[in-house]
Amino acid sequence: GQQVMQIPQYQHVQEGEDFTTYCNSSTTLSNIQWYKQRPGGHPVFLIQLVKSGEVKKQKRLTFQFGEAKKNSSLHITATQTTDVGTYFCAGSFYGQNFVFGPGTRLSVLP
Amino acid sequence: DAGVIQSPRHEVTEMGQEVTLRCKPISGHDYLFWYRQTMMRGLELLIYFNNNVPIDDSGMPEDRFSAKMPNASFSTLKIQPSEPRDSAVYFCASSLGFPYNEQFFGPGTRLTVL
Repeated sequence: GQQVMQIPQYQHVQEGEDFTTYCNSSTTLSNIQWYKQRPGGHPVFLIQLVKSGEVKKQKRLTFQFGEAKKNSSLHITATQTTDVGTYFCAGSFYGQNFVFGPGTRLSVLP
Repeated sequence: DAGVIQSPRHEVTEMGQEVTLRCKPISGHDYLFWYRQTMMRGLELLIYFNNNVPIDDSGMPEDRFSAKMPNASFSTLKIQPSEPRDSAVYFCASSLGFPYNEQFFGPGTRLTVL
């Protein structure tokens, strides 16, 4: 079936450093969503991207959707300890499938 | 609104026993999803409903798993008989529309099958 891949699997950063996670699909996506899951918690919706080349910002977080709608990225500027968690992308393939990526686990060292 | 409610929060059972997980979606939401999360397989969509009707159950691992939604405010996921490899966190989520809509996840049920 269709899949979305994410890299890296893990990322350890010093507080204040930047962080980026990438999401890739071999098939065109109709839309992509990003979720954050804190340790021991449940996934919480962050944002959705629908348009080719779309860029959205939420404070220190910047989300991009590729021109071909096959990849996406989440960039965090100047990480804080509150950013700790696993970041998931989830893609929809024009109504045929909705799949979560494996996630990138971020740890932030104070 | 209280959000998506799941019960129990933790379940420990022995292999071969029947397990029933429960979910109350957010009032007014027309889609309900069941997910399973494990370290090995990540977050997997098992089944989802639209207006109480199962739409896609292709993620249900095998016949031991079944899900029902008898009304708009209640759904169950049943495993019979349970096996140790079913140990996981099971999340229920709901949304108003799909797939261009935010999914709201419940707190999850941590299932351990001994």
